[in-house]
Amino acid sequence: GAGVSQSPSNKVTEKGKDVELRCDPISGHTALYWYRQRLGQGLEFLIYFQGNSAPDKSGLPSDRFSAERTGESVSTLTIQRTQQEDSAVYLCASSLAGLAGPRDTQYFGPGTRLTVL
Amino acid sequence: AQSVTQPDIHITVSEGASLELRCNYSYGATPYLFWYVQSPGQGLQLLLKYFSGDTLVQGIKGFEAEFKRSQSSFNLRKPSVHWSDAAEYFCAVGPFSGGYNKLIFGAGTRLAVHP
Repeated sequence: GAGVSQSPSNKVTEKGKDVELRCDPISGHTALYWYRQRLGQGLEFLIYFQGNSAPDKSGLPSDRFSAERTGESVSTLTIQRTQQEDSAVYLCASSLAGLAGPRDTQYFGPGTRLTVL
Repeated sequence: AQSVTQPDIHITVSEGASLELRCNYSYGATPYLFWYVQSPGQGLQLLLKYFSGDTLVQGIKGFEAEFKRSQSSFNLRKPSVHWSDAAEYFCAVGPFSGGYNKLIFGAGTRLAVHP
């Protein structure tokens, strides 16, 4: 079956512009996660969606970052007034139920590489 | 604070040689433990995971990992490396109970394989 897909695969933008990144989770997965991966670093948790519950936004680095998810489908991560330090690979993952523990494996998309000039 | 340390940034091995990638964690309780692999242009793929029970965990592609509570380690091993194993490997920890899998990742180890 189809995995997690993300678009665009690459995005180059100028400092100060807004960008929107898209994630299509695996069908039927109720949980969706966004991570950021800076060059040479591990993944950094940004935000988590579970069903119709309020999202956990505790990882968002500033109020320039926001994310939405329509039901249990597509999610968009929006970065306003981009800065050079926003340059990174943004990874999306989904899992069946979002429950703590390895029984509910996260499946990752290929990521969107964002470059802010 | 919760953290994951992968002490080796780069490792180079010859094809057919054995491999061990190190992972140490700092966590307030017994964590769930994961190893992921990331090939160029690919998303992260789960290699294996530890939940409880047997501390030696078998994964895909011939990998295994051993959880050592006394050393707070979860090292990844493979007895004979193939050229296709060249990739970046990430260790991650997650909560044992309650909430959801807000994973904490190490910085990764990049593996190069010489023919």
